[in-house]
Amino acid sequence: QKEVEQNSGPLSVPEGAIASLNCTYSDRVSQSFFWYRQYSGKSPELIMSIYSNGDKEDGRFTAQLNKASQYVSLLIRDSQPSDSATYLCALPTGRRALTFGSGTRLQVQP
Amino acid sequence: DAGVIQSPRHEVTEMGQEVTLRCKPISGHDYLFWYRQTMMRGLELLIYFNNNVPIDDSGMPEDRFSAKMPNASFSTLKIQPSEPRDSAVYFCASSLESDGGSDYGYTFGSGTRLTVV
Repeated sequence: QKEVEQNSGPLSVPEGAIASLNCTYSDRVSQSFFWYRQYSGKSPELIMSIYSNGDKEDGRFTAQLNKASQYVSLLIRDSQPSDSATYLCALPTGRRALTFGSGTRLQVQP
Repeated sequence: DAGVIQSPRHEVTEMGQEVTLRCKPISGHDYLFWYRQTMMRGLELLIYFNNNVPIDDSGMPEDRFSAKMPNASFSTLKIQPSEPRDSAVYFCASSLESDGGSDYGYTFGSGTRLTVV
């Protein structure tokens, strides 16, 4: 059973700061990782994917992957109150299915 | 496209009753997933289909749960009999396997909030 661990939070950061969200996983074979965002009462939506060690940037979002340490993170620069949501880390389980972490709740204080 | 459509949005039922949740995936998507989300257990994969064929149902909690996909545009998740511990938000999601096979861009439906009393 592949496992994904996340701190449930809440992680509270002031507006404009960098929010750092972390995820560890148990399966050394996993090659790809995904970050989903879920607003309260809404469904999850994909925001970032990363497949190789290092950093991947998309606008204010940067995903970081360290396969040796089995660690993936999501950085949100210039955090906005609209970024307040739960962020779910996910990795593949079998044919195109995903196993999700329990999520980290982010609160951006105006 | 209207996205993944789930019905009903909310369902309140009494313990022991049969509950049927419905999902219409995005046209052309060849994978369909049923997930359940609770505060205690997070987002759990129940079952998924590829081209209408069940691929993995190991996440289905027990025999009271069943899922079908009679055609490419419709799937149901049935709970019979329902129990209070089944109360959760049930999400349906669909995706299309791209040529590269590495795109996991699920589109989730809005979910069905089930309450069993």
